[in-house]
Amino acid sequence: QLQLQESGPGLVKPSETLSLTCSVSGGSISSSSEYWGWVRQPPGKGLEWIGSLYFGGSPYYNPSLRSRVTISVDSSKNQFSLKLTSLTAADTAVYYCARPQPDNSGYYGAFDIWGRGTLVTVSS
Amino acid sequence: EIVMTQSPATLSVSPGERATLSCRASQPLNSHLAWYQQKPGRAPRLLFYGASTRATGIPARFSASGSGTEFTLTIGSLQSEDFAVYYCQQYHAWPWTFGQGTKVENK
Repeated sequence: QLQLQESGPGLVKPSETLSLTCSVSGGSISSSSEYWGWVRQPPGKGLEWIGSLYFGGSPYYNPSLRSRVTISVDSSKNQFSLKLTSLTAADTAVYYCARPQPDNSGYYGAFDIWGRGTLVTVSS
Repeated sequence: EIVMTQSPATLSVSPGERATLSCRASQPLNSHLAWYQQKPGRAPRLLFYGASTRATGIPARFSASGSGTEFTLTIGSLQSEDFAVYYCQQYHAWPWTFGQGTKVENK
């Protein structure tokens, strides 16, 4: 059974860069989906899509974060990563990695497998 | 950007009662909509995709319908484990967007 696990620092200083990794187990990252993604959730608030990696082309990013975010994949390690630069307190959130699955029309986007999430606090 | 609006923000329901949650999109989605359930401290759990296709392991008391811009999630007879926050999400167009959530609480 496919499982995802986020890893990275729990505390980051303002203006610094956040680097998170999602490790995929129970299957190959390159054959288990054409897309992988990141979603975050500030404490007590709703879900925000950050971006999605697409094996067939360029990643897609939330326009509100596009200038600061990079999502990449390392197939040899069965991992994909998130980098978010110029952090502020507003970036404090639980960060989830997740797999979007295709629906019956072939559209990807419904996240069927999620990591447990990792809380990232931006504070000096 | 497609804006997703969920209503109500909070729904107070007694166990055994029916709960109806709404999700409205600012643009037509075809049927590219998903529903999630989230409990405190847990990752979201996919309930439905394609607007009405039940995900693996989701009980039959959950149903979903809709197309275009109006979508509904119904819990037929609320169980204690169903008290949670429910989110809709569109994946019809980039950027993918979530609704703000509906909290289903015990009346």
